[in-house]
Formats: sequence, C-alpha cells, structure tokens
Amino acid sequence: DIVMTQSPDSLAVSLGEWATINCKSNQSVLYSSNNLNYLAWYRQKPGQPPEVLIYWASVRESGVPDRFSGSGSGTDFTLTINNLQAEDVAVYYCQQYLTTPQTFGQGTRLEIK
Amino acid sequence: EIQLVQSGAEMKKPGESLKISCKASGYLFTSKWVGWVRQRPGKGLEWMGFIYPRDFDTRYNPSFRGQVTLSADYSTNTAYLQWNTLQASDTGVYYCVVSGGHWFEHWGQGTPVTVSS
Repeated sequence: DIVMTQSPDSLAVSLGEWATINCKSNQSVLYSSNNLNYLAWYRQKPGQPPEVLIYWASVRESGVPDRFSGSGSGTDFTLTINNLQAEDVAVYYCQQYLTTPQTFGQGTRLEIK
Repeated sequence: EIQLVQSGAEMKKPGESLKISCKASGYLFTSKWVGWVRQRPGKGLEWMGFIYPRDFDTRYNPSFRGQVTLSADYSTNTAYLQWNTLQASDTGVYYCVVSGGHWFEHWGQGTPVTVSS
C-alpha cells in the first residue's frame, strides 16, 4: 500500500493569513504515461462528510474558491489556503488514487488562531 | 445534482448482522463506481471498496475483504454495505462515495454504526 503522511498534524492560523499543509507519499503517485499526479485533497468540516477540493494534485473542483491551490509532483504535495476564513476550520486530507487500495493521509486539523 | 442519501444510524450487538444503504440520484447509476469509506471515532478515512453497478465488478481493500460485502441494485439506484458478524471494532461512520474511477467526487451524509454489548 502507498503510505500518505501529512504535516503538520494540526495548525492554527490567523484570519486573513495563509495556511500550508504538506502531504508526502512513500512512492510516486505520478503516472508517467499521462504525466498526471493521482492525488486529491479533501476538506471535512466539523460534523460533515468530506468534500473534494483538489484533484490531479492541482485542479480545483468546481465551486471551490481560488483561495485554495494544490501543487507538487511525484511524492511531495502541498495544499495552500490563502486569506484564511472562519469557514475554513476543518480537517484536511490528501488521498492517492493511483493504486488500490486508495489511501489517505492521517489528516491535518486547521484552526483559527 | 448528484445526491447520495444513506440509511440512518444503527446500534447493534457484537455478532449481529447489518446491511446499510445508499440511494443515489442525479446521475446514471450504472455509469460510476460506488464505494464505501470508514471513519472510526476521532480517526481518519479508510477506503473499503468499490462496486460498479453496471456489471457488479467489485474491488475490495484487502483490509476489508471477507469482512464486508458490497452490493448494488440498479433497479432502485441503491448500493449496500453488509456485515454478517459485527465486532466492536466496526464502530464508526460509514460514508458512501461516487467515483468516476479516480477521486471521490461525491459523498453521502454518513451512517453512524455503533457495535456494543
């Protein structure tokens, strides 16, 4: 199985500032045949199911504000949230879907400072 | 709009059986994979498996193979997750998801399952 490790486990950021969450896989999730990274980011607000924010490592899901951006390739990925809003309080997960079983990072809890 | 409506919370005893459901709408049910994700209390997300309702092709996470059974009924656009023998470690929230074969595009609201004597 591909192991996904996120850092940090939690972080507190002031409103209007930016947050950076990292995700590292123990093997590449870049598929060389199409040069796509099989990596998604999800947000789980308190008491709600997760929802997809980013797929193919950097493509924003329809309706997701452009404050959210994904970057990285191979084994190292980053989710950046600019101009942090109170509604961004949530746990964020990365997921690889290159191989079965699809696996998630352990989650990063984002709070407001 | 794609919607996944799951059955309600369950409280069961160890050794009992259970089948929970996920009714899909807003898309062609036989055109996407339907899967299940477990979230134990205070923990992260674990993919359990997928089923493709058109031909019932089923893929299991090896960690869950033999522990649960995925099924689907395309006459009612409903997917199911079944346990024959529940254990306390099965306690958690179970989400159904829809996927085009890659990321999980849509999520149900979750079905809490509590297994306790």
